[in-house]
Amino acid sequence: AQSVSQHNHHVILSEAASLELGCNYSYGGTVNLFWYVQYPGQHLQLLLKYFSGDPLVKGIKGFEAEFIKSKFSFNLRKPSVQWSDTAEYFCAVNGADTGRRALTFGSGTRLQVQP
Amino acid sequence: NAGVTQTPKFRVLKTGQSMTLLCAQDMNHEYMYWYRQDPGMGLRLIHYSVGEGTTAKGEVPDGYNVSRLKKQNFLLGLESAAPSQTSVYFCASTDWNTEAFFGQGTRLTVV
Repeated sequence: AQSVSQHNHHVILSEAASLELGCNYSYGGTVNLFWYVQYPGQHLQLLLKYFSGDPLVKGIKGFEAEFIKSKFSFNLRKPSVQWSDTAEYFCAVNGADTGRRALTFGSGTRLQVQP
Repeated sequence: NAGVTQTPKFRVLKTGQSMTLLCAQDMNHEYMYWYRQDPGMGLRLIHYSVGEGTTAKGEVPDGYNVSRLKKQNFLLGLESAAPSQTSVYFCASTDWNTEAFFGQGTRLTVV
């Protein structure tokens, strides 16, 4: 079975501060990794994804994430946050070698950016 | 291109009532999923389908049933609603080597 841990449940930052959200997963095979964002009252939108290749992945809105296989981690980073980044962020994983393809989500990190 | 569409968007049920949530996708995806989202718990998989005519249980299937009679539609049914089923429900679809696309969600309250 696969699982995802997000260690930061609630993060409060000032505008222009740097962001790093932790994500660790547990799975015995090859994985696909994702970060989704959910703005208040909205559905989940993809920020970035890793399937294979360069472990440093760039996504939308200046976000990036690094896959470190030896640490089973896929941390999300942004060098300078904006008030509009206030949202909930979910790390997710699915097994690249299974037929089910269902995502397993972490419990989410609520990011609050203060002007 | 509508993507993934869920109906209804909001619903209030009384305990014991039944209802069906409809999910429709227009991307010809093989895989479809129903998740529920509760505060502090992320999204949990209820049921899923790997193709037309197939369904399978996810992480939290009790109290729910599903059907996938057509490739583009995935229905989630609650036969006898309970207050514990108050949640936000999301449908998603995907295919090999693509990300999952999510619907707008259905906010269900059971009183």
